[in-house]
Amino acid sequence: AQSVTQLDSHVSVSEGTPVLLRCNYSSSYSPSLFWYVQHPNKGLQLLLKYTSAATLVKGINGFEAEFKKSETSFHLTKPSAHMSDAAEYFCVVSDRENTGFQKLVFGTGTRLLVSP
Amino acid sequence: DVKVTQSSRYLVKRTGEKVFLECVQDMDHENMFWYRQDPGLGLRLIYFSYDVKMKEKGDIPEGYSVSREKKERFSLILESASTNQTSMYLCASILAGGFYQPQHFGDGTRLSIL
Repeated sequence: AQSVTQLDSHVSVSEGTPVLLRCNYSSSYSPSLFWYVQHPNKGLQLLLKYTSAATLVKGINGFEAEFKKSETSFHLTKPSAHMSDAAEYFCVVSDRENTGFQKLVFGTGTRLLVSP
Repeated sequence: DVKVTQSSRYLVKRTGEKVFLECVQDMDHENMFWYRQDPGLGLRLIYFSYDVKMKEKGDIPEGYSVSREKKERFSLILESASTNQTSMYLCASILAGGFYQPQHFGDGTRLSIL
């Protein structure tokens, strides 16, 4: 069964400093992996996706993530945090269940706090 | 762009009431999903539907039912609301066969059961 572990429930950074949000996954197959962002009282917005092409994936708003199969990791990074990056971030693994339908497994989320 | 619209952003209901949450998508997606989101638990799948009138239980279906009479609309029903169903509810959709593609989410309905 697939699983996702987000290693930090909260991460605090100062504006202009790098961001690192950590994610480890477990999957029996070659997974697809996503990062979503959720701003307060909003739905989930896709930041980026990995679907077995390039291992370094670039997303929106300057975020990127690197798929490392040997470490079963898919950490999210950004070189310089902006105040508007303050939100909750979800790492998600996707696979095709035995039923033939997509199954998404969500991490428990990391809240990013950005201070001036 | 795909648009997934949830009819209510905030809803307050009483224990024992029958509650309907509505979701509409405009991209002709076959598959639609209902999740609930609770702090520290991430998102958990309640039900999904892969076609009109078709449904499958997710991980936490107890206390809920769903209805899909039209392709674009997927309703979540709380048959007799209880306080432990106070939560954020999110609807999502995706094309059939999109196993490795991201789902598109609505803005959520924050439901409080008093």
